[in-house]
Amino acid sequence: AQSVAQPEDQVNVAEGNPLTVKCTYSVSGNPYLFWYVQYPNRGLQFLLKYITGDNLVKGSYGFEAEFNKSQTSFHLKKPSALVSDSALYFCAVRDPAGAGSYQLTFGKGTKLSVIP
Amino acid sequence: DSGVTQTPKHLITATGQRVTLRCSPRSGDLSVYWYQQSLDQGLQFLIQYYNGEERAKGNILERFSAQQFPDLHSELNLSSLELGDSALYFCASSVVGGGGETQYFGPGTRLLVL
Repeated sequence: AQSVAQPEDQVNVAEGNPLTVKCTYSVSGNPYLFWYVQYPNRGLQFLLKYITGDNLVKGSYGFEAEFNKSQTSFHLKKPSALVSDSALYFCAVRDPAGAGSYQLTFGKGTKLSVIP
Repeated sequence: DSGVTQTPKHLITATGQRVTLRCSPRSGDLSVYWYQQSLDQGLQFLIQYYNGEERAKGNILERFSAQQFPDLHSELNLSSLELGDSALYFCASSVVGGGGETQYFGPGTRLLVL
């Protein structure tokens, strides 16, 4: 079965500082990995995904994520945080070889607060 | 705006009642997914339809059912509602549903069962 862990419920960072939101995964095969962001009272917005190829993936709003197969991690990063980045961030995995190959399995979410 | 629409935005009802949530996928998308977001369970996959046929089932209760119509819109029916069914229900869509496709989410329907 596929699973995702986001070890931090909350991350606080000062505006202008780099931010990292952590994600680790467990799948039986090669994973498809996704990051979504949820603003208050809004739906989930897609940020970026890793399917294959370059381990560093660039996405929307200046976010990027690095796929590390040996550490089974897919951490979300941004070089300089903005107050407007404050939101709930979800990591998700899909195992194309598994029984749940069509569904996304989400982590519990990490609340990012960027302090002015 | 993802292009996925959901109605209604809010729904307040009583225990034991039945409600229907509606979703229209992005233009051209054949797959529709339903997810439930609650404080204690997080985001959980319920069910997926592809071009009118059920493709995958997740943690969907027997009291819940869904269907996808020929125009590709989907409805999620929740019956014999309980307090614990109060949650945010999301619909997502993708072109086919396989590979590394991105699922695009609607704004959600917030259900409150009193």
